[in-house]
Amino acid sequence: DAGVTQSPTHLIKTRGQQVTLRCSPKSGHDTVSWYQQALGQGPQFIFQYYEEEERQRGNFPDRFSGHQFPNYSSELNVNALLLGDSALYLCASSRLLAGDQETQYFGPGTRLLVL
Amino acid sequence: GEDVEQSLFLSVREGDSSVINCTYTDSSSTYLYWYKQEPGAGLQLLTYIFSNMDMKQDQRLTVLLNKKDKHLSLRIADTQTGDSAIYFCAVGGGGFKTIFGAGTRLFVKA
Repeated sequence: DAGVTQSPTHLIKTRGQQVTLRCSPKSGHDTVSWYQQALGQGPQFIFQYYEEEERQRGNFPDRFSGHQFPNYSSELNVNALLLGDSALYLCASSRLLAGDQETQYFGPGTRLLVL
Repeated sequence: GEDVEQSLFLSVREGDSSVINCTYTDSSSTYLYWYKQEPGAGLQLLTYIFSNMDMKQDQRLTVLLNKKDKHLSLRIADTQTGDSAIYFCAVGGGGFKTIFGAGTRLFVKA
């Protein structure tokens, strides 16, 4: 049973560019959440997708957008990159059961460096 | 707003017990988690407890929840050098998003 997978593992971009990160959830999971983990900090919630719609969003600007596909995989897009966007981007998947989210499992992350 | 607080550092000797503490503000959280992160790696789910439980034991790990004080702790028995890592307390469920603490860096001295 494959866990949560993310691609690419590492990425280097320059300021102003755009980036797309990808996530495949654990088998049987229908919900994908994205988190940003800056160096030395805990992960910060960006947003969550369920049934191909953004269900909840954290305190991130509109430059951060996402998408969920019918197979439950997801993309995170960041436009107009800033130096401060350099971080580890983590994807987590879970499933909705009886109206509540079961525990979520994290992927290995994509490390983004903005120069 | 929602917040999770943890002490930043803990140092123990190999073989001793480690206790990592956490306090949180969101009383609606239904899941309370402990994650482990090793250098350069993603998050590994260690254990979690439901908000209607007081304690959960899983091999060397014991989680205690004091819901009245909104206090969560993780005890690692017989701590080994391989336990050196960053441990994150997190709360979630119900409202769907998960709020993380800043992490406690555990150093295990041989």
